[in-house]
Amino acid sequence: NAGVTQTPKFRILKIGQSMTLQCAQDMNHNYMYWYRQDPGMGLKLIYYSVGAGITDKGEVPNGYNVSRSTTEDFPLRLELAAPSQTSVYFCASSPGTFQFFGPGTRLTVL
Amino acid sequence: KQEVTQIPAALSVPEGENLVLNCSFTDSAIYNLQWFRQDPGKGLTSLLLIQSSQREQTSGRLNASLDKSSGRSTLYIAASQPGDSATYLCAAHSGGGADGLTFGKGTHLIIQP
Repeated sequence: NAGVTQTPKFRILKIGQSMTLQCAQDMNHNYMYWYRQDPGMGLKLIYYSVGAGITDKGEVPNGYNVSRSTTEDFPLRLELAAPSQTSVYFCASSPGTFQFFGPGTRLTVL
Repeated sequence: KQEVTQIPAALSVPEGENLVLNCSFTDSAIYNLQWFRQDPGKGLTSLLLIQSSQREQTSGRLNASLDKSSGRSTLYIAASQPGDSATYLCAAHSGGGADGLTFGKGTHLIIQP
């Protein structure tokens, strides 16, 4: 099993550009999550999903959108990138107990 | 709103020492509590998960305890090794299990050879 995979690993965006961060898991987990981690801080929840077609906002959803059309994939969309979105983004999946994390995407907005 | 605090923020100890990392949370109505390890520039590795009905969990040299009534958890590392150097994150899982984790800011641990 590949576990949780994320692409790309690194990305630099200009202010106002859009992009999609990809996340996939092959463990057939129902629950999936997106977090962001700013330097010296813990992770903060952006969005989560309890199954295909069901998503909900976390603590810091502004400026982001998600969709969950399949159990495996949970992409995160940034529509108008802002410098405040410079961060490391982690995707996670869970069967309901442990959360398994991907390697992260390091995003810089200039 | 759940808040998680970790003390100390940083810790440096000689190899071989036993050490304790502390985590406190404000809302005792948790589903479970997880401890993670994060190496520089890497993702998170899950170390231990304690369900709300449990008092402790052990894995090798690691032991995590949970006291819901006082809103505290500790991670005990026995016979520390340089390879244990990393940031350790504590995270509380509130609600019915679907909601995400609330993380502390972590303890940056350095084990001196």
